[in-house]
Amino acid sequence: AQTVTQSQPEMSVQEAETVTLSCTYDTSENNYYLFWYKQPPSRQMILVIRQEAYKQQNATENRFSVNFQKAAKSFSLKISDSQLGDTAMYFCAFMKHVGGPVRSSNTGKLIFGQGTTLQVKP
Amino acid sequence: NAGVTQTPKFQVLKTGQSMTLQCAQDMNHNSMYWYRQDPGMGLRLIYYSASEGTTDKGEVPNGYNVSRLNKREFSLRLESAAPSQTSVYFCASTRRGVRGAFTDTQYFGPGTRLTVL
Repeated sequence: AQTVTQSQPEMSVQEAETVTLSCTYDTSENNYYLFWYKQPPSRQMILVIRQEAYKQQNATENRFSVNFQKAAKSFSLKISDSQLGDTAMYFCAFMKHVGGPVRSSNTGKLIFGQGTTLQVKP
Repeated sequence: NAGVTQTPKFQVLKTGQSMTLQCAQDMNHNSMYWYRQDPGMGLRLIYYSASEGTTDKGEVPNGYNVSRLNKREFSLRLESAAPSQTSVYFCASTRRGVRGAFTDTQYFGPGTRLTVL
């Protein structure tokens, strides 16, 4: 079974600085996807960034980038130029890639880590 | 385009009462999911529907039932609510890509905060 671990329950960063959130996962699969979701106080789950395991190049989305280390099973999120609106809980998530016809094993379900609460200070 | 909608936003129940949480999506997605979120934990999958007409148990299905009413709607029912079911419930949906592969992002509703006294 796959597991996702976020070892930093809480972090803080000064506005405009850079912060890195850690995530490790355990899987025997070779083909999968990794995600970072943001959950602000509104509770809405918002996709920040995603990474396909078969791609060696690290994904980037504006101020957000990842450091994907497949052999080490590590998937960290770097937030550059932190803004007050980045204050939220961040979840790392894993999804096994399964293609083919509809079967009970072909779920597309996400496995989440415990989350990291990030506070951006003015 | 409203995305994924959930009703109600808040609900308080007494132990033993029943209720149904409603979820609908207007993105023509094939697959839908119900998660619960408890303090200090990530989201855990309760039930999912890989496609219209199919439903399957996730990680924590006990005490819940689901119905995939049509392609748009996926409801979660608590037959006899217990305090352990106090949680925030999220519905999500995703499309299936080429040859049925799950390649796309899951989109989440705003959540329902449920308290069972």
